[in-house]
Amino acid sequence: DTEVTQTPKHLVMGMTNKKSLKCEQHMGHRAMYWYKQKAKKPPELMFVYSYEKLSINESVPSRFSPECPNSSLLNLHLHALQPEDSALYLCASSQDRADTGEKLFFGSGTQLSVL
Amino acid sequence: GQQLNQSPQSMFIQEGEDVSMNCTSSSIFNTWLWYKQDPGEGPVLLIALYKAGELTSNGRLTAQFGITRKDSFLNISASIPSDVGIYFCAGQQNTGNQFYFGTGTSLTVIP
Repeated sequence: DTEVTQTPKHLVMGMTNKKSLKCEQHMGHRAMYWYKQKAKKPPELMFVYSYEKLSINESVPSRFSPECPNSSLLNLHLHALQPEDSALYLCASSQDRADTGEKLFFGSGTQLSVL
Repeated sequence: GQQLNQSPQSMFIQEGEDVSMNCTSSSIFNTWLWYKQDPGEGPVLLIALYKAGELTSNGRLTAQFGITRKDSFLNISASIPSDVGIYFCAGQQNTGNQFYFGTGTSLTVIP
């Protein structure tokens, strides 16, 4: 099983709304990631959690707030977003072990539109 | 961050033709990954490479880890319409470090 599950698939929200994106994996991976992707561009790293601790924050605005409740779950809380935040938000996971080759597995993404 | 350049940026080919694309960096990487992405979907992992010179196949796809460790190559043989999409490379310098993504190659297959 190499599945990363993201919900919802699509989300439309106003600039004053609060919403959350959810991600789940059951591969025993210990690193989980949030990426933002604009059309036809490569994914841009936002956050990395390693062993449930935030290890990388790529200077993301505070209107994006990540949360890792346990090793299988990753959330991204959204508040007071701007129209330019509209994008495909991707969750990914990897083993994060030095003794094996790393593979990064992506979910199918949440297509977010901010009105 | 690290810059990975992919070429070509886009390709338009006839069904049945072979395809070659590459990914280059100014830095050394220890892991190279190749992905295919359809519109509105997440990238799907095609091939993973871990050793300089390594050649790995997945069906009609073959990828190579460059001997300089600064580049990687992906070949698709006998292309079919479902090969259409954007192909991304990704490199990782060391375990625990982030993955850096290439600029992408958009492939169109003409039936």
